[in-house]
Amino acid sequence: QQQVKQSPQSLIVQKGGISIINCAYENTAFDYFPWYQQFPGKGPALLIAIRPDVSEKKEGRFTISFNKSAKQFSLHIMDSQPGDSATYFCAAKGSSNTGKLIFGQGTTLQVKP
Amino acid sequence: DGGITQSPKYLFRKEGQNVTLSCEQNLNHDAMYWYRQDPGQGLRLIYYSQIVNDFQKGDIAEGYSVSREKKESFPLTVTSAQKNPTAFYLCASSTHTEYQETQYFGPGTRLLVL
Repeated sequence: QQQVKQSPQSLIVQKGGISIINCAYENTAFDYFPWYQQFPGKGPALLIAIRPDVSEKKEGRFTISFNKSAKQFSLHIMDSQPGDSATYFCAAKGSSNTGKLIFGQGTTLQVKP
Repeated sequence: DGGITQSPKYLFRKEGQNVTLSCEQNLNHDAMYWYRQDPGQGLRLIYYSQIVNDFQKGDIAEGYSVSREKKESFPLTVTSAQKNPTAFYLCASSTHTEYQETQYFGPGTRLLVL
């Protein structure tokens, strides 16, 4: 119930291509879905986030698509660049005030020049 | 220059030794968190604190202890009871509004066992 399942574990994309990372959840009480980006040896940083009242959110080359009925959400990176090479984590949070985020297992993205 | 600082960057623990990881934030955030990161396992919550002098266990609290005596500080002690402590430890703090919950992470401490 509390898990967030993320796939794929690793992804290799050519420069200029589209990177797609998927996440699925079970707990319908989740109401906040952020994506974090982490470079090697650094802490994660918030990339983009969505609430379930919208089906899509776009910020620059990064888009979250959200499917409430399927309990799935995904990150799309358009025109992927070598500088996007990092580990990406999806996460989810319930509507309580504890602030606890449940993280997916992470996806390591490599964008080849 | 606001943010979260963690020290040390690398820490070595001997068998049977307790070690303490430091986490300080000057973001004036009420909530703070400790995560453990292992390859292929994402971030797992060890402890979290929503207010000074109060904290709760996360999913993997066994072998760890924390204190929250000041708003800006949330140190983590890895005790000798933690049999597999080698990992990357991340501290975070958060603020939340009605519409967004953002956790800000420190640069991490890598703990290695000698």
